[in-house]
Amino acid sequence: EAGVTQSPTHLIKTRGQQATLRCSPISGHTSVYWYQQALGLGLQFLLWYDEGEERNRGNFPPRFSGRQFPNYSSELNVNALELEDSALYLCASSHPGGFGLLRNTGELFFGEGSRLTVL
Amino acid sequence: KNQVEQSPQSLIILEGKNCTLQCNYTVSPFSNLRWYKQDTGRGPVSLTIMTFSENTKSNGRYTATLDADTKQSSLHITASQLSDSASYICVVSAKNYGQNFVFGPGTRLSVLP
Repeated sequence: EAGVTQSPTHLIKTRGQQATLRCSPISGHTSVYWYQQALGLGLQFLLWYDEGEERNRGNFPPRFSGRQFPNYSSELNVNALELEDSALYLCASSHPGGFGLLRNTGELFFGEGSRLTVL
Repeated sequence: KNQVEQSPQSLIILEGKNCTLQCNYTVSPFSNLRWYKQDTGRGPVSLTIMTFSENTKSNGRYTATLDADTKQSSLHITASQLSDSASYICVVSAKNYGQNFVFGPGTRLSVLP
């Protein structure tokens, strides 16, 4: 069974440009989470999608946005790139569980990440 | 406020030695606690999960403990290997709506030959 896949592996952009990162969750998983990890730092929560809807977002400006498609894959868009957006962007998927959104969603399965470099 | 703290921030040990990493949390209501291993530039991988009723769980050379009363967990690594060099992240899950997973900052472990 395929794990969580992310693309591209690496992306180089310049300040002011837009970046689009993609994530395909494990088959059967409906929840997708996005995290930002700057070099040497911990994971910072960006966005959570489940069943096609944005369920929660972290403390990031609106230029960080995304969406989840009917097949549960997801896209993260970063507009007006700034130098400090350079980071490893990790996607994780999770099965929602039998009790839906009000129940802990279990283990997070991570992709290998997309390394975004802003010059 | 839901928080997870880890100590030490970084640790250097010699190959073959044991070490223990600490995790303190204030997440409520508590659901479970996981330890993840993250190799540099890679995605984290789950090592073990601890639920409220579990005190100890082993996964090969990794042994996790949980004290739900004091809200502390530890990860003990026995007979360390060079491949154990990585960041170890404590993640606590809450039984509530919203972002269910609270991440610790991680402990960076370096195992030297």
